Amino acid sequence: DAAVTQKPRYLIKMKGQEAEMKCIPEKGHTAVFWYQQKQSKELKFLIYFQNQQPLDQIDMVKERFSAVCPSSSLCSLGIRTCEAEDSALYLCSSSQGLQNTLYFGAGTRLSVL
Amino acid sequence: QQKVQQSPESLIVPEGGMASLNCTSSDRNVDYFWWYRQHSGKSPKMLMSIFSNGEKEEGRFTVHLNKASLHTSLHIRDSQPSDSALYLCAARDTNAYKVIFGKGTHLHVLP
Repeated sequence: DAAVTQKPRYLIKMKGQEAEMKCIPEKGHTAVFWYQQKQSKELKFLIYFQNQQPLDQIDMVKERFSAVCPSSSLCSLGIRTCEAEDSALYLCSSSQGLQNTLYFGAGTRLSVL
Repeated sequence: QQKVQQSPESLIVPEGGMASLNCTSSDRNVDYFWWYRQHSGKSPKMLMSIFSNGEKEEGRFTVHLNKASLHTSLHIRDSQPSDSALYLCAARDTNAYKVIFGKGTHLHVLP
């Protein structure tokens, strides 16, 4: 099984604070996706990187998040100002490309109080 | 509107029974389809993929794809309690750089 590592596993922030979570993609994978999942329901697409470049992202990410992949072995997703609605499981996944299987990390569970 | 729709939302089957899950895209700009399974408290794992018309079988799992109607279905025969999970259908959006997921079907297999 591919190994995608996410840290931290749990994150607790107060409303208005900044949050940051990291992802180490599987070695050799060039595509990285971030998804948000609330209450074990649908995975909401946030942003897609190909070879460390962001190629697609939703408006919410453009407005309030910061996401980068400074190297092929590290990506990060940040929230500039946390809101209660940001409480969710954030899943990072990587693959060899858009046509390939996504491998998911264990996720970072963010709670905003 | 959700581009990938799954039905039913929730499904209960007895142990040993057949579970049938459906997934349809309302947008013609999708091609490859995957089925992922997510057990409670775990991350999703790919179960099966299907990229061309027809049927594919792996053990107790069979997946169908009709590209004309953009409909895929997953069938689990001889369902086991360990199959209880959230089943997510995913499709590649050819108009954008993303893989999009449906809302999922919660499958409960009763012993």
